[in-house]
Amino acid sequence: DAGVTQSPTHLIKTRGQQVTLRCSPKSGHDTVSWYQQALGQGPQFIFQYYEEEERQRGNFPDRFSGHQFPNYSSELNVNALLLGDSALYLCASSLGGGAAGPLSYEQYFGPGTRLTVT
Amino acid sequence: AQTVTQSQPEMSVQEAETVTLSCTYDTSENNYYLFWYKQPPSRQMILVIRQEAYKQQNATENRFSVNFQKAAKSFSLKISDSQLGDTAMYFCAFMKHGDSGYALNFGKGTSLLVTP
Repeated sequence: DAGVTQSPTHLIKTRGQQVTLRCSPKSGHDTVSWYQQALGQGPQFIFQYYEEEERQRGNFPDRFSGHQFPNYSSELNVNALLLGDSALYLCASSLGGGAAGPLSYEQYFGPGTRLTVT
Repeated sequence: AQTVTQSQPEMSVQEAETVTLSCTYDTSENNYYLFWYKQPPSRQMILVIRQEAYKQQNATENRFSVNFQKAAKSFSLKISDSQLGDTAMYFCAFMKHGDSGYALNFGKGTSLLVTP
């Protein structure tokens, strides 16, 4: 049973550039959430995708956008990179149906993508 | 908005001993879930234990148990018989129950070191 996978593992970009991070959810999951984890901090929620639409968004600027594909995989795009965007970007997958109770909301995390902006 | 506070940035415990990590949260919601996640140096976030707010019974998973005090908005994690592999960052997280999405709201974490 494949878990959540993310690519690439590490990425170095220059300020002002654009970046795309990718995530494949755990087998059977249909919901993907993205989190930003700055060094020494807890993860911060960016947004969540369900049925190919953004279902919920955290307090992040429009420079952060995403997409979910029919196979439930997802991309996170960040435009006009700032030095402050340097962080570990975590993807988490879950079941979005809701009827099954708390277990449906258990989020499984990938290993993350370390983004460094210079 | 919900806030999660972990007041212990770092903790240390000897192998085989018991340690308790603290977490408090602030919310006006009545239905929600609480989680403890572990993030070892390999950085993969792993779910340790979860608690549904409507359940009075404290959750237990092997050596891990919680003390959930809803009125006090407190959710501490107890690790019994600590093992070297328990060394990691531990994050407390809150999730509101609703149909607008299910975002995890994390605390800043507690770094736990288990020593021989």
